[in-house]
Amino acid sequence: QQPVQSPQAVILREGEDAVINCSSSKALYSVHWYRQKHGEAPVFLMILLKGGEQKGHDKISASFNEKKQQSSLYLTASQLSYSGTYFCGTEGSSNTGKLIFGQGTTLQVKP
Amino acid sequence: GAVVSQHPSWVICKSGTSVKIECRSLDFQATTMFWYRQFPKQSLMLMATSNEGSKATYEQGVEKDKFLINHASLTLSTLTVTSAHPEDSSFYICSARTGTLAGETQYFGPGTRLLVL
Repeated sequence: QQPVQSPQAVILREGEDAVINCSSSKALYSVHWYRQKHGEAPVFLMILLKGGEQKGHDKISASFNEKKQQSSLYLTASQLSYSGTYFCGTEGSSNTGKLIFGQGTTLQVKP
Repeated sequence: GAVVSQHPSWVICKSGTSVKIECRSLDFQATTMFWYRQFPKQSLMLMATSNEGSKATYEQGVEKDKFLINHASLTLSTLTVTSAHPEDSSFYICSARTGTLAGETQYFGPGTRLLVL
């Protein structure tokens, strides 16, 4: 089943923060986050494995609450380059490697 | 590292013709590749899982006779859209895993835009 992302869209000013959530109704092994710009393929941001992991990369970080089957992506001090659509991809416990993607969250950062 | 290429990047064809899309992992061996389809302003929908040396596994609702997948080697998977129709027009993207363990990163190719007239 497709994970649910929230919010669907968000508009920020440069320097502001944002949180994007991803919830699944099924048990998860990992959550993968990607950013896609218009007309381009998704670009890998980070992967979180089960175990309540939290990761950071520059000013983008994420957490994974395995028990709640939820992951959140944190964007701090947003830059214009952060604009795009963010997708979470969830991997179930069956170890097939298949990712089921959420519907996406469109982020627009304005000057 | 972990670069995935696709060819062609875009294709326009007439209804009824077949179109082949190639997906290559350039600097790693990919035992598993995945094919996705994405309609405008929508999410990526997994079509099939392609494993080297074996038959592809298709997701529910995806016609395996229409979307032929061949994983010829550890670096190449092809998707052939047979007898394409206008409703097959979409953005087709492949991805490849660097390993076989759960939690491995998937890297996406640049995608192929298909327009069927």
